[in-house]
Amino acid sequence: QVTLRESGPALVKPTQTLTLTCTFSGFSLSTSGMCVSWVRQPPGKALEWLALIDWDDDKYYSTSLKTRLTISKDTSKNQVVLTMTNMDPVDTATYYCARIPDYGGGGYYFDYWGQGTLVTVSS
Amino acid sequence: EIVMTQSPATLSVSPGERATLSCRASQSVSSNLAWYQQKPGQAPRLLIYGASTRATGIPARFSGSGSGTEFTLTISSLQSEDFAVYYCQQYNNWPPSWTFGQGTKVEIK
Repeated sequence: QVTLRESGPALVKPTQTLTLTCTFSGFSLSTSGMCVSWVRQPPGKALEWLALIDWDDDKYYSTSLKTRLTISKDTSKNQVVLTMTNMDPVDTATYYCARIPDYGGGGYYFDYWGQGTLVTVSS
Repeated sequence: EIVMTQSPATLSVSPGERATLSCRASQSVSSNLAWYQQKPGQAPRLLIYGASTRATGIPARFSGSGSGTEFTLTISSLQSEDFAVYYCQQYNNWPPSWTFGQGTKVEIK
């Protein structure tokens, strides 16, 4: 059974750095073809893809946010960590981690999602 | 960036009726399109990938069609649990710059 769960602070101040952790089970990021991504959703708005990391430690970022994002993994702990620097109120959103099941085959959709964690940016 | 435009923004449908949702891409995405369902307070749920392949456990009343720039999600007979927001997502680019539509809310008429 595949599960993912996000954790991190519910409130951050402007200019601070956000660190979110995705803890997953039911698959391994050391398995060829596996990949985990982050997606966010501002309240009442649409989804936005942020970053991904694959089993080979390749990393990709949203063009608009790449200077602020860093993604990493700890395979032994089944965790993926996303950091976002210089947080702003417009970054207030629910942040999801999600698995891509067919990374090696070009199927870059998300089959399992965490429940999401709401991050509010406010002083 | 490929812009995904969904229409209508809101669709009012009676239970048992058919719902047709549209998604248009600003440039061709081949068949690299997925549909998700999202209910309030929940994460998105994968319905369709490859434009027309139902994900595991998705009822047959959900179907997807289209390729290139025009896509459709059809719910053949709406059930009470189908009232939700639906998003399309293109995954045609590499390196990734995948984008979602703004969503269509399916509400009870």
